[in-house]
Amino acid sequence: GAGVSQSPSNKVTEKGKDVELRCDPISGHTALYWYRQSLGQGLEFLIYFQGNSAPDKSGLPSDRFSAERTGGSVSTLTIQRTQQEDSAVYLCASSFSGRHSNQPQHFGDGTRLSIL
Amino acid sequence: GENVEQHPSTLSVQEGDSAVIKCTYSDSASNYFPWYKQELGKRPQLIIDIRSNVGEKKDQRIAVTLNKTAKHFSLHITETQPEDSAVYFCAATSNAGGTSYGKLTFGQGTILTVHP
Repeated sequence: GAGVSQSPSNKVTEKGKDVELRCDPISGHTALYWYRQSLGQGLEFLIYFQGNSAPDKSGLPSDRFSAERTGGSVSTLTIQRTQQEDSAVYLCASSFSGRHSNQPQHFGDGTRLSIL
Repeated sequence: GENVEQHPSTLSVQEGDSAVIKCTYSDSASNYFPWYKQELGKRPQLIIDIRSNVGEKKDQRIAVTLNKTAKHFSLHITETQPEDSAVYFCAATSNAGGTSYGKLTFGQGTILTVHP
């Protein structure tokens, strides 16, 4: 089936505006992750959803960042009052639930966010 | 939390040579170690992974070794080809506390260049 789908692929916005980034995971994957990749850097964990459990938000850098996952499928990452340091590629990944072992995570193409 | 260090940051080899990238991790509870290849402007692609119950895994020209005692793992690419040129990321994760928890902590990446 289709891989992880993210939209938009690119987003340019002015400082102070709110943005919403969308992720549609692979069908059947119950775990969904958001990561951030700044220019020339590694990937930084933001938030993790597993089924109907409370999400792990430990990686969110500030209270301007929030995420939802409706119906256990599509997820939206929202950044309020954007700042220039929020400029990065936001990557979503999904995997099967691995209650006793980790499962491979598969990434989408990401959303390249530029804050002017 | 987990900390992953990756070396070298850049690696240049001639076509046909071998390439080795090394990573160390800090959390002895980590039990899953994937490697991702990321071409410029593309999504990270899982190329190989290893779990803590094995010491080595091989897939054609790619192999990964794990030393749990020393807390380090390495990626080995033999007979390198120009199309192997990319950024390679190591990562580590654990099921700490017995719960399903797949958060990945990434190394900073290695830029591999294979010269024809």
